[in-house]
Amino acid sequence: DAGVTQSPTHLIKTRGQQVTLRCSPKSGHDTVSWYQQALGQGPQFIFQYYEEEERQRGNFPDRFSGHQFPNYSSELNVNALLLGDSALYLCASSWLAGMSSYEQYFGPGTRLTVT
Amino acid sequence: QQQVKQSPQSLIVQKGGISIINCAYENTAFDYFPWYQQFPGKGPALLIAIRPDVSEKKEGRFTISFNKSAKQFSLHIMDSQPGDSATYFCAAVIKGETSGSRLTFGEGTQLTVNP
Repeated sequence: DAGVTQSPTHLIKTRGQQVTLRCSPKSGHDTVSWYQQALGQGPQFIFQYYEEEERQRGNFPDRFSGHQFPNYSSELNVNALLLGDSALYLCASSWLAGMSSYEQYFGPGTRLTVT
Repeated sequence: QQQVKQSPQSLIVQKGGISIINCAYENTAFDYFPWYQQFPGKGPALLIAIRPDVSEKKEGRFTISFNKSAKQFSLHIMDSQPGDSATYFCAAVIKGETSGSRLTFGEGTQLTVNP
């Protein structure tokens, strides 16, 4: 049973560019959440997708957008990259209607470096 | 606004000792409190979690103690091993009625267990 997978593993972009990160949830999961983890800090919630709609959003600007596909996989897009966007981007999946719907399982993350 | 405060920032323990990490929260709407373990280059892994109607939960060497009136909870790692050396994050969750859970993380504790 594959866990949460993310691609790419590492990414280097230039300030002002746009980036797309991808996530496939754990088998049986229907909800995907994205988090940003700056070096030495705890993950910060960006947004959550369920049934292809953004259900919750954290305190992140509109430059951060996402999408969920019918197969539950998800993309995170960041436009007009800033140096401060350099971080580990984590995807977490869960099962909204499940008995353990509070449990979120994380992927290995995508390390984004903006130069 | 930091809704979950974690201490200490770093902790060094001898092999076989007890590691204790503390967290305090502000929002009484939180209704689920997980702990995550993160190794360098990896995503956080769910370790153990507790609901506010329980004062203690134990799984193997890991125990959560929960004090609802004080809005505090702690992780105890008994018989700490060098393999436990990692960063530990406490978190708190509010689950929406039509959306999944949203994790609010503490700042993290870097645990080092010396052999």
